[in-house]
Amino acid sequence: SQQGEEDPQALSIQEGENATMNCSYKTSINNLQWYRQNSGRGLVHLILIRSNEREKHSGRLRVTLDTSKKSSSLLITASRAADTASYFCAMRSGGSYIPTFGRGTSLIVHP
Amino acid sequence: EAGVAQSPRYKIIEKRQSVAFWCNPISGHATLYWYQQILGQGPKLLIQFQNNGVVDDSQLPKDRFSAERLKGVDSTLKIQPAKLEDSAVYLCASSFLRDGETQYFGPGTRLLVL
Repeated sequence: SQQGEEDPQALSIQEGENATMNCSYKTSINNLQWYRQNSGRGLVHLILIRSNEREKHSGRLRVTLDTSKKSSSLLITASRAADTASYFCAMRSGGSYIPTFGRGTSLIVHP
Repeated sequence: EAGVAQSPRYKIIEKRQSVAFWCNPISGHATLYWYQQILGQGPKLLIQFQNNGVVDDSQLPKDRFSAERLKGVDSTLKIQPAKLEDSAVYLCASSFLRDGETQYFGPGTRLLVL
């Protein structure tokens, strides 16, 4: 099974700024998902992008997928203190039904 | 719609003791997952059920971990005996479909083994 690698591991920004985090993977995928985890809580699904899609939007979130580079990025625009959390990418590859998660990016948004 | 329920939320035990975690998925979700999340890492899948059958348990340390989902609804994960390295958050998730495109997570059980 493959694991995604998020970059950077930690990100600290001011409220109102944009936050960009990246996820790279090793083998072909069926889809890639982004999750958020607030401290001490479970994960919350944010957005799913399929291998034949290049970009998806959901509110202040924008996800891109570049299958040639085997990478995805999550952009949070006009960040808020409430966006402070860890963000994980998860992916399914080949015929596997098993999603694998990366190590996550820890985002801190200062008010 | 009620979310995924887990209990207990916190557990402290000594090494070599036993511990059990319970999970009740969202009603109607056929697929249930147990993950282990060590501090600073992403969740690692331990076992995946489809109804009451096991889809994958390749990363479950079967010498000490066991899980069941007898009636295809709620599930129990057990560790016996526990080791120090089992200290982690144990997350339960469920999804409507087997492909797990959207998983709904419970709040997790934080385990500390002393």
